[in-house]
Amino acid sequence: GAGVSQSPRYKVAKRGQDVALRCDPISGHVSLFWYQQALGQGPEFLTYFQNEAQLDKSGLPSDRFFAERPEGSVSTLKIQRTQQEDSAVYLCASRLVELGTEAFFGQGTRLTVV
Amino acid sequence: KNQVEQSPQSLIILEGKNCTLQCNYTVSPFSNLRWYKQDTGRGPVSLTIMTFSENTKSNGRYTATLDADTKQSSLHITASQLSDSASYICVVTDSGGSNYKLTFGKGTLLTVNP
Repeated sequence: GAGVSQSPRYKVAKRGQDVALRCDPISGHVSLFWYQQALGQGPEFLTYFQNEAQLDKSGLPSDRFFAERPEGSVSTLKIQRTQQEDSAVYLCASRLVELGTEAFFGQGTRLTVV
Repeated sequence: KNQVEQSPQSLIILEGKNCTLQCNYTVSPFSNLRWYKQDTGRGPVSLTIMTFSENTKSNGRYTATLDADTKQSSLHITASQLSDSASYICVVTDSGGSNYKLTFGKGTLLTVNP
């Protein structure tokens, strides 16, 4: 596609429910990132993929968060047993190569845990 | 710890007026600095990128400056338009091993009123 696509745009989950957020990066982009953006804050790094390899997951806040990119294109961020503090916008970005070039962001998924 | 501080937190101006947003950073070693515009409900979109050797760069009505000695950047918006209403985020990349992590500021929320 022309840009990074994320789905769903909005997700309301009951506390304790599992959710899966999808990211379709720009075709051919090697690098893929997930960021978490709380209301009124800048995005915070969660995890980074180079093709299908997850090279850094140091930003994932707990073991309830899991991300995968099995074929090096589409990525899924899964949150198990959601809690209210997980409410945020989850942004996905992709970049053509590992270093230097611009990262393009999707519109994000707004997750609200009630 | 790498940090990016932005000021003011929010700003309201009248259409047609100019404004300047500030960014201070402590990211080291420095690679580049970008200003992003984030409309409500959208992902961030890059406005400018500046490397260590660049002092100023323009993109239409947007002009960014960088002082690598004092680790400060500014974004000047000329002849503001209603569509400039958005959050403006300063993002700094370090040239170390974690080039992909990107350190985000919290953003300046700009409101342009008619």
